[in-house]
Amino acid sequence: EVQLVESGGGLVKPGGSLRLSCAASGFTFSTYCMNWVRQAPGKGLEWVSSISYSSSYIYYADSVKGRFTISRDDAKKSLYLQMNSLRAEDTAVYYCSRAAGIGNYSFDPWGQGTLVTVSS
Amino acid sequence: QSVLTQPPSASGTPGQRVTISCSGSSSNIGSNTVKWYQQLPGTAPKLLIYNNNQRPSGVPDRFSDSKSGTSASLAISGLQSEDEADYYCAAWDDSLKGYVFGTGTKVTVL
Repeated sequence: EVQLVESGGGLVKPGGSLRLSCAASGFTFSTYCMNWVRQAPGKGLEWVSSISYSSSYIYYADSVKGRFTISRDDAKKSLYLQMNSLRAEDTAVYYCSRAAGIGNYSFDPWGQGTLVTVSS
Repeated sequence: QSVLTQPPSASGTPGQRVTISCSGSSSNIGSNTVKWYQQLPGTAPKLLIYNNNQRPSGVPDRFSDSKSGTSASLAISGLQSEDEADYYCAAWDDSLKGYVFGTGTKVTVL
């Protein structure tokens, strides 16, 4: 069974940092692109970042560019999101998802999400 | 911010047909395929439809989509109570070099 499990969320002060992880199982992780999507409380979905297999291509939403860094460790079958200079508006549930490629590809499946709260 | 525009809500009685629109531009819907995601209350989103009416295993054929120019739509025929959820369209945007999601539509079964 394909499974994605996020971790690392929590409460952090504005300006602080947090590192999210996404553990993958049930598929050949190294051959898939991976993505982060977030959802602020009571709001819609917002794409955050994508990384291709072999990390050749990386994309970020303008709202996080320069503050967030996506990375992957294929040996550990894990995806990461390093979040620095966090702001209140970064408060959201962060989901990781798998895609066969970048561009015209679907996000499937999604993890259960991890909540990040940025507040003093 | 959302680049794709959806109506905030849609509703119908059991058995009815409900459609949800998704309006974009030439850089996203106009030049790329549209995906639809379903988010049941309190759960993570789930892929519903992709690449012109392709449905993942387990998704009933009551769900269908269509696209014309820079707009797309999702249709739910034979509406059922378990269809109460939020629905999002999404596409790759060639100008932004990233994915864009719709504003989301909450479907209520009356």
